[in-house]
Formats: sequence, C-alpha cells, structure tokens
Amino acid sequence: QSVLTQPPSVSAAPGQKVTISCSGSSSNIGNNFVTWYQQLPGAAPKLLIFENNKRPSGIPDRFSGSKSGTSATLDINGLQTGDEADYYCGAWDSSLSAGVFGGGTKLTVL
Amino acid sequence: EVQLVQSGAEVKKPGESLKISCKGSGYDFFGYWIGWVRQMPGKGLEWMGLIYPDSSETRYSPSFQGQVTFSADLSISTAYLRWSSVKPSDTAMYYCARFGGPRFAVHYFDFWGQGTLVTVPS
Repeated sequence: QSVLTQPPSVSAAPGQKVTISCSGSSSNIGNNFVTWYQQLPGAAPKLLIFENNKRPSGIPDRFSGSKSGTSATLDINGLQTGDEADYYCGAWDSSLSAGVFGGGTKLTVL
Repeated sequence: EVQLVQSGAEVKKPGESLKISCKGSGYDFFGYWIGWVRQMPGKGLEWMGLIYPDSSETRYSPSFQGQVTFSADLSISTAYLRWSSVKPSDTAMYYCARFGGPRFAVHYFDFWGQGTLVTVPS
C-alpha cells in the first residue's frame, strides 16, 4: 500500500489530453512539494515535473503539473504513442522523515 | 554531463552478502545527496533512503532501516548499497539517483542510474 494514491491506469487517444491524479495527506503533499517521474518500458525513471509545476530542461510543455491541498495532478496534452509509460508521483513525508512514491499509473495511448 | 553509472547485474544465493555501486561524474559528487530506490518485478518505485557522501550522513526509510546499509567513497565518487545477508525477497531492480532539491521538503531525483538487477533465487 503506497502512501500516495494514484489510479492504476489511464488511457486516451493520440492527440487527446489525459490527467493523472495523486492523493496524499498533510504530512506529504499538503505541506511539501510534488514531483512526477516518467518510466518508459525497460528504462530508468526520468524526472518530469518538480516543485509541483516546474519542468526540467528538455521536457516539453505538453506536460504540466499542479497541486491543490493534499492532491496533485499531472496533465499530458497532445498525447503521443511515445508517452506510453508508467508515471509516478513523489514527495517528502514529514511524519515518516522519508520520501514516498505513489503506486504508479500506467498510461496507454490507444 | 551528469551521469550515474551502476554496477552490473548480480545473482546471489540466500544468505550471501552483496554490495552494489553507483559512480557519479560530471558534478561535485560530495555536494549532493544520493538516493536508492527499489523496484520489485512488475511493481512500483519504493524509496529506500539517502546518503550524503561528504559526511556519510544517512536517512533510511523505516521499511529498509536495518535491512541495508548505505556508504560512500568520496575519493572515487561512488556510493554503495550493501546487504549482509540477501533473501529471495530482495530480488529487484535497484536504482541510485541524485537528490536535486535544496532541502528535503523539495524532494526530487534529477538524475538516475541505469539500475542494477539483483536476483536471489529461492
């Protein structure tokens, strides 16, 4: 059971928009910053969004993040087949004094 | 270019000791925390903990405290993850990653190693 809760899977057609949610509590998302990672099949995770809504260089602006209260969302616009991957949210948990991840969401581009 | 290069795949018998490595390059290795992340077959990411190479200060997840040991050798810019006695349940991919945030509340791993697959047949 992960500390952060994500839907196991989402799907959408190419060119469409998809939203992935991440739910936590006041000890993690509520009072700390949220991060999103993309893990393509057979590859290491890659930083996608940090500090709730910032993109590292090289990440297209089709990817955007937001946070409200104890939840966060990752939006992916203009879906491409190459976006098929597992997506994980993460944050620091002040009660655990540890980092935590969501269980991951598998994105299928139909 | 920041790079983290991990040691190769390992196959161990239950009860054996194991140490895997993560070599950093392209940045000041001593100035960034290094994290370790476990991914069991077909499962999600699990945060194991952090080590600060300059002081060897560590933070362990409660789930991994006492099960593994982090260490670092500044002279060769390398971090290590060690087991004293591996179990079949340790079978997983293990990633090292550089902690990029200015403080723990701004938690993110900005660069990742390629992963080390550890297999412990039962």
